[in-house]
Amino acid sequence: DVKVTQSSRYLVKRTGEKVFLECVQDMDHENMFWYRQDPGLGLRLIYFSYDVKMKEKGDIPEGYSVSREKKERFSLILESASTNQTSMYLCASRGLGSFDEQFFGPGTRLTVL
Amino acid sequence: AQRVTQPEKLLSVFKGAPVELKCNYSYSGSPELFWYVQYSRQRLQLLLRHISRESIKGFTADLNKGETSFHLKKPFAQEEDSAMYYCARNSGYSTLTFGKGTMLLVSP
Repeated sequence: DVKVTQSSRYLVKRTGEKVFLECVQDMDHENMFWYRQDPGLGLRLIYFSYDVKMKEKGDIPEGYSVSREKKERFSLILESASTNQTSMYLCASRGLGSFDEQFFGPGTRLTVL
Repeated sequence: AQRVTQPEKLLSVFKGAPVELKCNYSYSGSPELFWYVQYSRQRLQLLLRHISRESIKGFTADLNKGETSFHLKKPFAQEEDSAMYYCARNSGYSTLTFGKGTMLLVSP
């Protein structure tokens, strides 16, 4: 009963490449999120979306963009990958209620060489 | 900005010992607080939410508004409790602000 899926578990890219990370949820959630997870820094919000074609910057949006053309899909784009973007990227989705659970994907481990 | 502080990066205990993972939040009226857990090689998942006032896997957490704390407790730790634990709070637009996490290691 997988609810949030991410396109890749591991990804290796070169500096300067354009990188696409895809996320799909099957719970009809309005809200979707992209985080990066780094040791000692916890989860940091990159971007989120509360509706199709709507997006809001999180705490660390620099170097990233997002796309939400369909309700179930939320993409994270690294326009020109850099080594400091090597990280674990987590996608999540959530309903509208204040106490709704946020469901996470398995994560994509991105390495930029 | 909303803040969540988890002062311990690592907590190491022996099996059967009590466990308390600390979480403090920045004050703002009526916070909505959660604990999430990530076991090795598994995805992050909800452990409990303060509104439920329930015990999950033997863990409880009490909201203390006076101390702005939401510490996670378990009277007798088990080896399978070893995981990374994140405290989180609602921050508007249905977003969550997470603490930096505490790694719990339970030794036999």
